[in-house]
Amino acid sequence: EAGVAQSPRYKIIEKRQSVAFWCNPISGHATLYWYQQILGQGPKLLIQFQNNGVVDDSQLPKDRFSAERLKGVDSTLKIQPAKLEDSAVYLCASSLLLQNEQYFGPGTRLTVT
Amino acid sequence: QQQVKQSPQSLIVQKGGISIINCAYENTAFDYFPWYQQFPGKGPALLIAIRPDVSEKKEGRFTISFNKSAKQFSLHIMDSQPGDSATYFCAASKISNTGKLIFGQGTTLQVKP
Repeated sequence: EAGVAQSPRYKIIEKRQSVAFWCNPISGHATLYWYQQILGQGPKLLIQFQNNGVVDDSQLPKDRFSAERLKGVDSTLKIQPAKLEDSAVYLCASSLLLQNEQYFGPGTRLTVT
Repeated sequence: QQQVKQSPQSLIVQKGGISIINCAYENTAFDYFPWYQQFPGKGPALLIAIRPDVSEKKEGRFTISFNKSAKQFSLHIMDSQPGDSATYFCAASKISNTGKLIFGQGTTLQVKP
């Protein structure tokens, strides 16, 4: 069974530029999560989807971050405009509906200069 | 009340020794407590998890001990091996909720040969 796929793996941008990350969850997983992991810290949930709908986006900085999950499968997370403090690893995870076990992708390391 | 506090921040153990990592939580509504293992450049991988209806769960060399009254849980790695060198995160969530995981700050484990 293929794991969670993410791309790109690395991205370097200047502040005020925009960037987008892509995630393909494990096949059949209805729930998809985006986490932000700042160096030296644990992951922090940004947004959670259940199929197409948003379940929790309470910690998403909505003035600059947006996410969508079209057709309940792939998802994209966008940052526009980026700030220096957005430098982090962005992790995508997925799980079966109503199951607790979350499976993480390798992440995208974003550096904002 | 949403915090999960993890200690120590870093740990060095000799090969064959026991590694112990501790976590404490505040929200008594939490009822799912997983441990994740993360290698550099990889996403977190689920290692073992426990629900509060049991005080201990063992899988191979990994054991979770859970103390509901103290609101603490710990990970024990028996016969630690150099391949166990990684960052370990505890987490907590409410099963009946959205499944949002609250992560600890992480413990970097180094097992010396």
